[in-house]
Amino acid sequence: NAGVTQTPKFQVLKTGQSMTLQCAQDMNHEYMSWYRQDPGMGLRLIHYSVGAGITDQGEVPNGYNVSRSTTEDFPLRLLSAAPSQTSVYFCASRPHRDRGFNEQFFGPGTRLTVL
Amino acid sequence: AQSVTQLDSQVPVFEEAPVELRCNYSSSVSVYLFWYVQYPNQGLQLLLKYLSGSTLVKGINGFEAEFNKSQTSFHLRKPSVHISDTAEYFCAVNILTGNQFYFGTGTSLTVIP
Repeated sequence: NAGVTQTPKFQVLKTGQSMTLQCAQDMNHEYMSWYRQDPGMGLRLIHYSVGAGITDQGEVPNGYNVSRSTTEDFPLRLLSAAPSQTSVYFCASRPHRDRGFNEQFFGPGTRLTVL
Repeated sequence: AQSVTQLDSQVPVFEEAPVELRCNYSSSVSVYLFWYVQYPNQGLQLLLKYLSGSTLVKGINGFEAEFNKSQTSFHLRKPSVHISDTAEYFCAVNILTGNQFYFGTGTSLTVIP
């Protein structure tokens, strides 16, 4: 299993540009989440999904959209990039609690810089 | 609401010395507790977790943590650190009936030769 994969690893955008961060998992996990990591602030939840077709907002959802058309994929869209979105983005997945609770598995991250 | 506090943002310690990284949480309901480690330029990986049972939990790389319900704490310990333990450590909480994980702000452990 590849686990949780994220692309790209690095990205530089100009203010106002849009882009999609890709996340995929091959573990058949129901739950998937997007976090951003900023110095001194730990990980903050952007959006999450409990299954295909179901998404919900986390702590810092503004400026981001998500969709979950398949179990495997959970892309994160930046609609109009702003310098405040410069961060490291992590995707994570975990199985449904009914299958035996487990921890979250994290992808390697995407480092995004918005100029 | 749930919150996680890691009081120490940076912890320098000499090689082979013991270390304790502190984590306190606030929750009105029962929780699951986790410690994750992040090596430079990498993602997070699980060190250990407390779900139920024994309050002393052993994890990978010689780390252990003790769940103290009365003090709402889940401190991470290692009796003798190595250079390779230099990393960022995150405490996280998940309530038993919820989906979200709540992370602390992290503790940067630096092991000095």
